[in-house]
Amino acid sequence: KAGVTQTPRYLIKTRGQQVTLSCSPISGHRSVSWYQQTPGQGLQFLFEYFSETQRNKGNFPGRFSGRQFSNSRSEMNVSTLELGDSALYLCASSYGPGGTVPDQPQHFGDGTRLSIL
Amino acid sequence: GEDVEQSLFLSVREGDSSVINCTYTDSSSTYLYWYKQEPGAGLQLLTYIFSNMDMKQDQRLTVLLNKKDKHLSLRIADTQTGDSAIYFCAESPYNQGGKLIFGQGTELSVKP
Repeated sequence: KAGVTQTPRYLIKTRGQQVTLSCSPISGHRSVSWYQQTPGQGLQFLFEYFSETQRNKGNFPGRFSGRQFSNSRSEMNVSTLELGDSALYLCASSYGPGGTVPDQPQHFGDGTRLSIL
Repeated sequence: GEDVEQSLFLSVREGDSSVINCTYTDSSSTYLYWYKQEPGAGLQLLTYIFSNMDMKQDQRLTVLLNKKDKHLSLRIADTQTGDSAIYFCAESPYNQGGKLIFGQGTELSVKP
């Protein structure tokens, strides 16, 4: 069974641009969550989607947005990029809505490393 | 509030046991997790424990949960050089969906 797939693996952008990252969950998983990992702030929750609906959102500005498609694939978008957005963006998938299905933990992809110049 | 604390570094000799500790603040958390991250990679789920359990064993891994003290530990028996990585503890707060709150990570260094 293929794991969580994130594309692209690496991305370089300049300030002010916008970027879209993609995540394909494990087959059969319908919940997708996104996290930002930086050396200073560690791992921080961005948002969670289940059945194309955002269920929860972390404390990030409105420049960060996401969506989920009917096949459970998800994208996140960051507009007007800032230097501080440089990070590893991780996607995780689980079978059901996070926290509601016993013994169905989240599995992570290898992330997209975004560098802002 | 939501906060997870871990010590930053641990160094052990190959063949010894490693114990990584974690404290959390949200007593409503239903599940607690341990993830491993190797350089350049994402997070690998190692094991997890439901909050009504005290202990869970999975091959070389033993998780102990002291719910009264909100303390979680991960013991790795017969630690190998391939276990060198960063280990993250995470809690899943009740009624916040799939949101995980992570600790800062403990960097485990295994010396031959």
